[in-house]
Amino acid sequence: QKEVEQDPGPLSVPEGAIVSLNCTYSNSAFQYFMWYRQYSRKGPELLMYTYSSGNKEDGRFTAQVDKSSKYISLFIRDSQPSDSATYLCAMSTSNDYKLSFGAGTTVTVRA
Amino acid sequence: EPEVTQTPSHQVTQMGQEVILRCVPISNHLYFYWYRQILGQKVEFLVSFYNNEISEKSEIFDDQFSVERPDGSNFTLKIRSTKLEDSAMYFCASSRRGGRRETQYFGPGTRLLVL
Repeated sequence: QKEVEQDPGPLSVPEGAIVSLNCTYSNSAFQYFMWYRQYSRKGPELLMYTYSSGNKEDGRFTAQVDKSSKYISLFIRDSQPSDSATYLCAMSTSNDYKLSFGAGTTVTVRA
Repeated sequence: EPEVTQTPSHQVTQMGQEVILRCVPISNHLYFYWYRQILGQKVEFLVSFYNNEISEKSEIFDDQFSVERPDGSNFTLKIRSTKLEDSAMYFCASSRRGGRRETQYFGPGTRLLVL
């Protein structure tokens, strides 16, 4: 089983739709959960950072963590064409510095 | 807004040649990282670096790789004898501290092609 699995894309949604992105993980030592956005030929850019189970909201973005199910989600409300990018989930344990990434989901928001 | 910069943006090299990828982390950051992303695959951790020494490395980071902070601003990744499978996008990242809650800021990457 892969350490971090991310729903494969690509996703194509109309402008204004809700985008739902998901990752599962197998390592119960993961304590810190992140979502990065990566535009074509650019580096990953941090969108959301969560530590505990539950929801965290930032503008149109909501990150959800369910540690009991080893499942995290990112929701994008009122999606815009500028949200078109690849979204990467990433995780780390409390013992190391490295981030473990999912494979990424490419999202296209159609105007 | 401060950002991580990387040079060159693209590099083409022959198999067996040495390459040095350069990064300028954000100025008040103390922890530095290299990741790579082979085309179509995940971003993979290579190494983290603090206080002029490696703090953590992955199994990918074997003897052909080395990192250095040659001065107060640059952070480099050297690949001594490149292989075809080293072709990838290499990302440098930095963070203010090494705590697990610290955000890692990524540069735009260097695309390395080994022929």
